[in-house]
Amino acid sequence: AQKVTQAQTEISVVEKEDVTLDCVYETRDTTYYLFWYKQPPSGELVFLIRRNSFDEQNEISGRYSWNFQKSTSSFNFTITASQVVDSAVYFCALSHPNQAGTALIFGKGTTLSVSS
Amino acid sequence: ETGVTQTPRHLVMGMTNKKSLKCEQHLGHNAMYWYKQSAKKPLELMFVYNFKEQTENNSVPSRFSPECPNSSHLFLHLHTLQPEDSALYLCASSQDRPGTGEKLFFGSGTQLSVL
Repeated sequence: AQKVTQAQTEISVVEKEDVTLDCVYETRDTTYYLFWYKQPPSGELVFLIRRNSFDEQNEISGRYSWNFQKSTSSFNFTITASQVVDSAVYFCALSHPNQAGTALIFGKGTTLSVSS
Repeated sequence: ETGVTQTPRHLVMGMTNKKSLKCEQHLGHNAMYWYKQSAKKPLELMFVYNFKEQTENNSVPSRFSPECPNSSHLFLHLHTLQPEDSALYLCASSQDRPGTGEKLFFGSGTQLSVL
């Protein structure tokens, strides 16, 4: 079965702290995609990153970085020097090309609160 | 301005009412989706349309009826809903077909309350 687990329901940090959001996935497929989305209070989910299962290279984009480890089936997201504007719900998601017509499977999300 | 527009933003309806949610995408995408977001639950996929054809119905009750007249518009017709149907309903679109690592673009959602 395919599943995405975000064990951290809520995280609270103070501005400038680093924070890591965990994501563990389950799949039997060798080909798949992993995503992170951000949902600010306005409601719409915003795409942050997509990785395919054959590319384990970690990625950095400004204050954001992602650590993909197939050995532990994890795709963790780190925000460095967090800011109040980072406060949002963050979702990890999984997509399977081998299952025709199957759209993204989302985790339950992690609510991040950054205070000043 | 988002590329995916949903109306209305908020909707309150009784269990005997009939209403419709509307979604329009201005991105030239070929696939459109309805997701339901309830408190404390993962986003639940409801329906997927690819080139106006429904490709996935995720065991959604018949009181929810989707319609996709063209690749840019998607509707969700609601009738005889239950209070547990109260949720945020999100529309999304993607250029790539579902299941190909598609990147979804979401609207801001319709917050539905069923009394």
